[in-house]
Amino acid sequence: ETGVTQSPTHLIKTRGQQVTLRCSSQSGHNTVSWYQQALGQGPQFIFQYYREEENGRGNFPPRFSGLQFPNYSSELNVNALELDDSALYLCASSLPGPIGANVLTFGAGSRLTVL
Amino acid sequence: AQTVTQSQPEMSVQEAETVTLSCTYDTSENNYYLFWYKQPPSRQMILVIRQEAYKQQNATENRFSVNFQKAAKSFSLKISDSQLGDTAMYFCAFILITSGSRLTFGEGTQLTVNP
Repeated sequence: ETGVTQSPTHLIKTRGQQVTLRCSSQSGHNTVSWYQQALGQGPQFIFQYYREEENGRGNFPPRFSGLQFPNYSSELNVNALELDDSALYLCASSLPGPIGANVLTFGAGSRLTVL
Repeated sequence: AQTVTQSQPEMSVQEAETVTLSCTYDTSENNYYLFWYKQPPSRQMILVIRQEAYKQQNATENRFSVNFQKAAKSFSLKISDSQLGDTAMYFCAFILITSGSRLTFGEGTQLTVNP
């Protein structure tokens, strides 16, 4: 059984560019969520996807968007990058159902640096 | 809105000794879970222990146990027989049962286990 995998592990972008981060969920998990973790802080919830639709969003602007595919993998897209977008982006997947949905398995994250 | 507070940015302990990490939270809801996650330098968030709010009995996982005081909204983590591999950032987290995968994290406590 594979865990949650994320790519790329590191990337550098310049302000104003766009970035796409990818996540493959753990086998059998159909809910994917994304978190932003700034340096020295706890992760902040961005949004979650269930059955290919956004199903809950944190306090992030619309330039943060996502997709979930039929195989439950997911992408996080960030447009018009700002310096403050520099962070570790964590993807997490969870089992279906009201109880299973609360137990998350995290990936190792994608470290984004915006110059 | 839910908040989670960890008042100890850094802690250290000698190998084989016991250490307690503190966490308080604020919510007006009754149905929730609390978690402690460990984030080593590899960056992957690893679940240490989970506590269901409706359970009075404190959760235990091998060397890890919690002291859950629902009325005081306190959720501390005790690590017994500390090992060098326990060195990591520890995050306390809260989730409403109805919110799927929307975790609220504290700011974290950096624990260092010294030989």
